[in-house]
Amino acid sequence: NAGVTQTPKFQVLKTGQSMTLQCAQDMNHNSMYWYRQDPGMGLRLIYYSASEGTTDKGEVPNGYNVSRLNKREFSLRLESAAPSQTSVYFCASSPDYFVSYEQYFGPGTRLTVT
Amino acid sequence: GEDVEQSLFLSVREGDSSVINCTYTDSSSTYLYWYKQEPGAGLQLLTYIFSNMDMKQDQRLTVLLNKKDKHLSLRIADTQTGDSAIYFCAESSTGGYNKLIFGAGTRLAVHP
Repeated sequence: NAGVTQTPKFQVLKTGQSMTLQCAQDMNHNSMYWYRQDPGMGLRLIYYSASEGTTDKGEVPNGYNVSRLNKREFSLRLESAAPSQTSVYFCASSPDYFVSYEQYFGPGTRLTVT
Repeated sequence: GEDVEQSLFLSVREGDSSVINCTYTDSSSTYLYWYKQEPGAGLQLLTYIFSNMDMKQDQRLTVLLNKKDKHLSLRIADTQTGDSAIYFCAESSTGGYNKLIFGAGTRLAVHP
């Protein structure tokens, strides 16, 4: 039981390049989330998926797209990376969205855009 | 809008108690959480408190909630070097949905 896994762990991109961050969970959770963590700002929600087949914008969605591929997997895509997207990205999952539950976090992807 | 604030840094001596404070704005939050982040790792739930409780104790951890002042605190008794980490306060969004609002995190440094 690996919990929440993320790939890659580190990535360096040039401005304008695209990439997809992958996330998978093996806990049979319905809900999944993408956050970014910037120094002094805590975690901010980018997008979430309350259940398979649905996605919704969070607090900072601009410049990102997501896909809930199936119940296990939730990917985050940067179509044209910008230096402002340099951050640590965390994926999380929870049993449900419509009731408050613990969220389980992956180890993070550290992304640098030059 | 919803906002969660924490002081950014706390330094304590090993064996002392640590108290990390948090204020929040959403009076309709149903749950309030404390998450711990160790270097290079994701966040891990430490403890949580339901909004109709004043206090929750779990081994070395004590959570106090003052709903009137919208103030949450985490006390760690007998702080150890392994407690050195960033501690995040979070509230659930209005309506009890599982959309968390996080504070900026308090970095706890434990020194001998």
